[in-house]
Amino acid sequence: GQNIDQPTEMTATEGAIVQINCTYQTSGFNGLFWYQQHAGEAPTFLSYNVLDGLEEKGRFSSFLSRSKGYSYLLLKELQMKDSASYLCAVRGRDDKIIFGKGTRLHILP
Amino acid sequence: DTGVSQDPRHKITKRGQNVTFRCDPISEHNRLYWYRQTLGQGPEFLTYFQNEAQLEKSRLLSDRFSAERPKGSFSTLEIQRTEQGDSAMYLCASSPDTGNTIYFGEGSWLTVV
Repeated sequence: GQNIDQPTEMTATEGAIVQINCTYQTSGFNGLFWYQQHAGEAPTFLSYNVLDGLEEKGRFSSFLSRSKGYSYLLLKELQMKDSASYLCAVRGRDDKIIFGKGTRLHILP
Repeated sequence: DTGVSQDPRHKITKRGQNVTFRCDPISEHNRLYWYRQTLGQGPEFLTYFQNEAQLEKSRLLSDRFSAERPKGSFSTLEIQRTEQGDSAMYLCASSPDTGNTIYFGEGSWLTVV
């Protein structure tokens, strides 16, 4: 079976750093995605990890450990516009892409 | 605009009616995905295509749902005899063969009354 777990909600303060975790169990692994989704809008691509380690892209970084079935998305210097849902998704051996339920991030001023 | 486009963006229909959504992927993207999303949930996988071949259809989908991609370009998702539980946003996404990024359309909102 396939399962992707991430926290339902998180709250952080403007200017701070937040880490959103994702654990997965899937039939095969061909990469992990992070997407940002604002309410009522389509998801937008943030990152893709296929090898272990940290990928940094501006204020956002994503980490992957394939042996642990674990990833996190790190958001630095939080801004109010970062209030959104963050979706973890895994591409299996068959190239099917399955999403987690998403983490709603609330940013407080 | 060369992104993924979906049509219609909003559809209100009476229970029991059929609806069809269209998706035009990014040109030359071989892979096309359909997802359904309800409030507070992540996108739920429905089906996906490699060119015109439908590779998998979710077991969660009843026989009322059918998708096609006849020429390997645009795709349609049809829902027959709609039910109130079908109310959701239907998302289409496409990716190249490398698959390291998938691009979503703006989604088609369905309300069944």
